[in-house]
Amino acid sequence: GQQLNQSPQSMFIQEGEDVSMNCTSSSIFNTWLWYKQDPGEGPVLLIALYKAGELTSNGRLTAQFGITRKDSFLNISASIPSDVGIYFCAGPLAGNNRKLIWGLGTSLAVNP
Amino acid sequence: NAGVMQNPRHLVRRRGQEARLRCSPMKGHSHVYWYRQLPEEGLKFMVYLQKENIIDESGMPKERFSAEFPKEGPSILRIQQVVRGDSAAYFCASSPMANEQFFGPGTRLTVL
Repeated sequence: GQQLNQSPQSMFIQEGEDVSMNCTSSSIFNTWLWYKQDPGEGPVLLIALYKAGELTSNGRLTAQFGITRKDSFLNISASIPSDVGIYFCAGPLAGNNRKLIWGLGTSLAVNP
Repeated sequence: NAGVMQNPRHLVRRRGQEARLRCSPMKGHSHVYWYRQLPEEGLKFMVYLQKENIIDESGMPKERFSAEFPKEGPSILRIQQVVRGDSAAYFCASSPMANEQFFGPGTRLTVL
């Protein structure tokens, strides 16, 4: 099935460092969603992007909707131990806003 | 406003039994989605429902799986004659519109 490409697959960083991860697709998206999933829990929506070029922040998180509408990135500044988890990008294909297509996730580990 | 609720959180079944997974969407949300997640993988869309209607079931296996979202009560994902390959985490999400989706904590199904 269709899938978004997320990179990197995993990251190991020191507390206080900034983190950047991205998501690409060969298809156009009208919406990009970034979720975080903790072990044993459901994904939690972090940021939603609706417009090409849009840059949106949520606390220490910043995400951008690429102008080609085929990519998005998520930055986390000054990481803390509770940032540990798996970060997923997701989006509905343009013209089909019913089901979300998901990336495989970026696993983040933070050393205190 | 309570979030999306799923029960049970953990379900153990023997091969050949039936599994019934329940999802109560957030108040005011009329769109429900079911996803399946295997370890170390992203979420795979199964079915999208609105009240009393299945809108998109393109991710549902053709046999043994069914879903409903009645006018009253929770959405139900039903798996008949479970097999070991059905073991996974099943997540329900709801939305007020067909973009941002809010997830429940999931039901972890184990088939012995």
